[in-house]
Amino acid sequence: SAVISQKPSRDICQRGTSLTIQCQVDSQVTMMFWYRQQPGQSLTLIATANQGSEATYESGFVIDKFPISRPNLTFSTLTVSNMSPEDSSIYLCSVEDRTGGYEKLFFGSGTQLSVL
Amino acid sequence: GEDVEQSLFLSVREGDSSVINCTYTDSSSTYLYWYKQEPGAGLQLLTYIFSNMDMKQDQRLTVLLNKKDKHLSLRIADTQTGDSAIYFCAVLTGTASKLTFGTGTRLQVTL
Repeated sequence: SAVISQKPSRDICQRGTSLTIQCQVDSQVTMMFWYRQQPGQSLTLIATANQGSEATYESGFVIDKFPISRPNLTFSTLTVSNMSPEDSSIYLCSVEDRTGGYEKLFFGSGTQLSVL
Repeated sequence: GEDVEQSLFLSVREGDSSVINCTYTDSSSTYLYWYKQEPGAGLQLLTYIFSNMDMKQDQRLTVLLNKKDKHLSLRIADTQTGDSAIYFCAVLTGTASKLTFGTGTRLQVTL
């Protein structure tokens, strides 16, 4: 399975600032995704990070608030911009793996963000 | 869109079997997954089942899929204290590899 390194693992930030989260995969992957998990909640897809083009955002998420980069097939970043306490969540990177002919999605260890 | 539901909490004694249930709404779902999340950690893929399968067994884990009722279950045999975690059911629908997650079931294992 793909090995996903996500950093930082946690951060405490001041309101109004921005944080960039990095996701590095040990192999080339076509599909990379960013999810948010609000406290005590399930996971919600923020966007699909497309290599070489703009990310595809889900309803309720916009590029100005969550800009995403995908410069190559092994790396992506998610920025949480102009943060407010409501942005306190775990942010997770996910990649698709089709090894063996079955579609599996693996997750990084997550970034726990607290906004004061 | 897809809607995935799970019960919120399950408590079992160590050594007993645990059964975590999940229902979903979209009959065109292709893959169904079970993930485990321990406190402060990311999601660990436990197992998955393709929609044309009824059952899959992997060591202590057994997944049952009833497509007619859109019901998925995860059975953990001989449950251990290390199995205490939140278990998420997730369903893949469509061609864009998008997952819809259930609400998560917190499994508590007591001695």
